[in-house]
Amino acid sequence: EPEVTQTPSHQVTQMGQEVILRCVPISNHLYFYWYRQILGQKVEFLVSFYNNEISEKSEIFDDQFSVERPDGSNFTLKIRSTKLEDSAMYFCASSDRGGRDEQFFGPGTRLTVL
Amino acid sequence: RKEVEQDPGPFNVPEGATVAFNCTYSNSASQSFFWYRQDCRKEPKLLMSAYSSGNEDGRFTAQLNRASQYISLLIRDSKLSDSATYLCVVIPNTGFQKLVFGTGTRLLVSP
Repeated sequence: EPEVTQTPSHQVTQMGQEVILRCVPISNHLYFYWYRQILGQKVEFLVSFYNNEISEKSEIFDDQFSVERPDGSNFTLKIRSTKLEDSAMYFCASSDRGGRDEQFFGPGTRLTVL
Repeated sequence: RKEVEQDPGPFNVPEGATVAFNCTYSNSASQSFFWYRQDCRKEPKLLMSAYSSGNEDGRFTAQLNRASQYISLLIRDSKLSDSATYLCVVIPNTGFQKLVFGTGTRLLVSP
């Protein structure tokens, strides 16, 4: 069964460093998403991406964040200068047609900022 | 008011019990409604959609009440494997793509 994959599973970084979280969405999907979940809190939407551009973003997704689809398979989330409060689980998701179509989530990357 | 509100639980039930979870949402123009399941430190997985006409899948039934802005999930004949956190999820009318999650309701099924 096709699945979304994410690397690394756990990333530890120092405050102020840049990190890139990587995702490989399901191959025929066209819509891509990033969510995050701070430990003990709810899952929060960060950004959606379609046709090589951001289609929607949340207030959390400020200038420190960027997304990119550098090739036909990868979808990345970059945090330019990490803060302690960026520590969270980051989930990538993809869907076939967007809208109400099911979003399939990857296993997540746990980011720890020291 | 939170966009999606759930009782965090935990709900402790014995195997074989019937348990119901509720969720309310604040945006009356919300488009779509779901229940997701999340196991500890894992990704959310879609369980089922909720409709006004009801949606039954085996032991699980999801129901939407638009007038009361209320979504429910009923689990019959609980199994140990049902132990997880159940997330109420809404797609608001402001964007067709983002999922808005509740904080989740934790279910513990014991032998």
